[in-house]
Amino acid sequence: AQSVTQPDIHITVSEGASLELRCNYSYGATPYLFWYVQSPGQGLQLLLKYFSGDTLVQGIKGFEAEFKRSQSSFNLRKPSVHWSDAAEYFCAVGSILSNSGNEKLTFGTGTRLTIIP
Amino acid sequence: DVKVTQSSRYLVKRTGEKVFLECVQDMDHENMFWYRQDPGLGLRLIYFSYDVKMKEKGDIPEGYSVSREKKERFSLILESASTNQTSMYLCASSFSSPPYGYTFGSGTRLTVV
Repeated sequence: AQSVTQPDIHITVSEGASLELRCNYSYGATPYLFWYVQSPGQGLQLLLKYFSGDTLVQGIKGFEAEFKRSQSSFNLRKPSVHWSDAAEYFCAVGSILSNSGNEKLTFGTGTRLTIIP
Repeated sequence: DVKVTQSSRYLVKRTGEKVFLECVQDMDHENMFWYRQDPGLGLRLIYFSYDVKMKEKGDIPEGYSVSREKKERFSLILESASTNQTSMYLCASSFSSPPYGYTFGSGTRLTVV
């Protein structure tokens, strides 16, 4: 069964500093990988996704993520954070259910990002 | 833009009440999902549906049931609410062909007293 680990529960960075959020996955085949962001009291918004091709993926809000098969990682990065980036971030791995061909996502437990002035 | 609408942002219910959480999507998605979100536990899948009148149990279905009578609507039912069901509930939908990921609603924060 697939699983996702986000080793950092909480990260604090200064506004303008660079950011990297870690994500490690476990999945037997080539994974579909996603990053979502959740602002306080809101649902989850898709930031970016990887399913094939270029291992460096660009997303919305200036975020990017790099798929590294050898490390089973899909880390999220941003070169310069803004106060509005304070939120919770979730990594997810998608798998295909053999009985239906449908996609099922498994989520990590999230990383809460705090931005200090 | 795809919209997934959850009928209530906040609900307060009493122990033992029957609770209905409604979710409607407007983009003709085949798949719909119900998650609960708790601090430190992330998102846990309760039930999902890949077609009308079809449902499958997720990872934590106990104490819940679902109904999908129309393609756009997926209801989560707490037959007899308990305090340990106090949580944020998130509905999501997606197309059947991956890898699109899910589109989420804004969530319903349910408090059972």
